[in-house]
Amino acid sequence: KAGVTQTPRYLIKTRGQQVTLSCSPISGHRSVSWYQQTPGQGLQFLFEYFSETQRNKGNFPGRFSGRQFSNSRSEMNVSTLELGDSALYLCASSDTGEPLHEQYFGPGTRLTVT
Amino acid sequence: AQSVTQLGSHVSVSEGALVLLRCNYSSSVPPYLFWYVQYPNQGLQLLLKYTTGATLVKGINGFEAEFKKSETSFHLTKPSAHMSDAAEYFCAVSENRSYKLIFGSGTRLLVRP
Repeated sequence: KAGVTQTPRYLIKTRGQQVTLSCSPISGHRSVSWYQQTPGQGLQFLFEYFSETQRNKGNFPGRFSGRQFSNSRSEMNVSTLELGDSALYLCASSDTGEPLHEQYFGPGTRLTVT
Repeated sequence: AQSVTQLGSHVSVSEGALVLLRCNYSSSVPPYLFWYVQYPNQGLQLLLKYTTGATLVKGINGFEAEFKKSETSFHLTKPSAHMSDAAEYFCAVSENRSYKLIFGSGTRLLVRP
């Protein structure tokens, strides 16, 4: 099986712009979670989608949003980018999103905001 | 609220030496605990997890961890370090036993030849 894929792998944006990141889960997986990783704050949960429904959301401002499509692919969007949004954005997929089931992480998208 | 503390942002060991990475958690409910490894420019890979049952958990690549409720700890060990173990290691707790993971700040393991 192919692993979790994230596109693009690297992205450079300017403050004030918006960005959309994509995540394709492992075939058959219906849960996709997003995490932000920064040197200062570490790994922080953004949100999780299951069967096109957002089940939980972390403590991020409304500029961060996401969605999931019927084929389980997910996108996250960040509007009005700030310098502090520079980070590695990781997505993870699992078949059900239950904690007993392993989450498989993608390689991440590294976003740089200038 | 649940939290995870990893003692030591950097740990250096010699090849062949014991690896011990420390993790303490705070949880008001019986926790689900995880250790992940991250190699440069890669995502996270699950090493092992504790949910219920046996408190000594064996994972991949020769790693194991012991859940000690009385000490609220879940330290990761490996008897003999390999050069390939050099990476960053993250301990995590499942928030309220959900799919949402709360991660520690990570420990970077350096293996000296």
